[in-house]
Order: sequence, then C-alpha cells, then structure tokens
Amino acid sequence: DAGVIQSPRHEVTEMGQEVTLRCKPISGHDYLFWYRQTMMRGLELLIYFNNNVPIDDSGMPEDRFSAKMPNASFSTLKIQPSEPRDSAVYFCASSKSGTGPMNGYTFGSGTRLTVV
Amino acid sequence: KQEVTQIPAALSVPEGENLVLNCSFTDSAIYNLQWFRQDHGKGLTSLLLIQSSQREQTSGRLNASLDKSSGRSTLYIAASQPGDSATYLCAPRMGSARQLTFGSGTQLTVLP
Repeated sequence: DAGVIQSPRHEVTEMGQEVTLRCKPISGHDYLFWYRQTMMRGLELLIYFNNNVPIDDSGMPEDRFSAKMPNASFSTLKIQPSEPRDSAVYFCASSKSGTGPMNGYTFGSGTRLTVV
Repeated sequence: KQEVTQIPAALSVPEGENLVLNCSFTDSAIYNLQWFRQDHGKGLTSLLLIQSSQREQTSGRLNASLDKSSGRSTLYIAASQPGDSATYLCAPRMGSARQLTFGSGTQLTVLP
C-alpha cells in the first residue's frame, strides 16, 4: 500500500485566497483524521470521519474551515478565506476500526501551508 | 480532557547509550497508546502500538511499556544511533473516543 497520500506537499498563498488540501487514506481504513501542527500548539485534531461521515468537528477553529469526505478514498480540507495565522503543517491520518496492532494511525507526509 | 506530558523536552546522548523517554497522561481510561517518531520537517512514523491490556511491546531496539493505572508509558531505546535522532511523540487514545491526544514530544539527538 502507498500509505496515506496528501497533496500538495507545500502551498504558499496570499491572505484571503481559498486553499484546498487533499488526502487519500489507506484502502480499507474507515477512519480519517485531519490534524494541524504548529510550534506553539503542537498537534491538534481538527476533524475526523468514520465511514465518510463527520463524527467530531469540534477542533475546527472557525467557519473559514470546512472538510468533506465524498467517498472512502478522498477527503478535502478547505480554508476560505485564508489568514496568516493558518500557516501550519496539516496532516491527514487514517486508521481501521477493530482491535489489535493493525488498528493504529498511519499519517501522511503533511501539507506545509504558508499564508502571506 | 486528556493531557499528555513528555519529559524531557530535549535529550542529547552519545551514540551507543541506552535511553528512556517518558510519557504521562492524566486520564487512565485509555484504549491504547501509540509512539511515533517525527524527523525534522517530515510526517509521523508509527513505532509501536501498545494496547491497554498489555504491559510491553517490543520492536527491534525499541521497547514500550505501559502502566495504565499510574498514567505512564516509557519508550526504551537500546544502543542508540545517530539515525535515531528525531522527535518522539506519545499519543494515548481514549476508550470512549477515536482520536489520539498528542504530547509535545521529546527531541532526541544522538551524537556520533
């Protein structure tokens, strides 16, 4: 398996622009998570999905952020309009329900977002 | 709300030393705990997943222990190598939820 795939790897955008981050989870994983990492706040959960349905979006900072999962193999995180304080590394992760050593998280390589 | 603390925040050791990284969490009702490493500017790589019913989990030179009742986990690295230099993160998962809560990590430097 190719693992969790995120695109783009780097994104530089101007304040006020719309930004869309993409994620392809591991095939067969039914949970998908979006995290944000900053120096000040570390890794923070933004939202997670189970079977394409959003379960907990309490970490989404404000209405400018939205996430969708139209099918089991694709999710997007959108920021509109973007602000400089949104600059961070955004990670997508997936996992499989059930117990045992195969049910841990697998992370993507992240998208480094810079808003100028 | 689960809070995770990792001590020390940074550690520098000469190559070949055995070392222990500590993780403590405030809510002991965890389902499992995962240790990750993060190389500078990179994503997270899973090292070990230890279930709440387990006391230890081993992979190569790495050994993770879990004392759920006291809210502690340790990651033991044997015979450290410069390639082990990275930030190590522990992340318990609560039994009632699916998401992981991350500590701020221990930044390890192994000097050749």
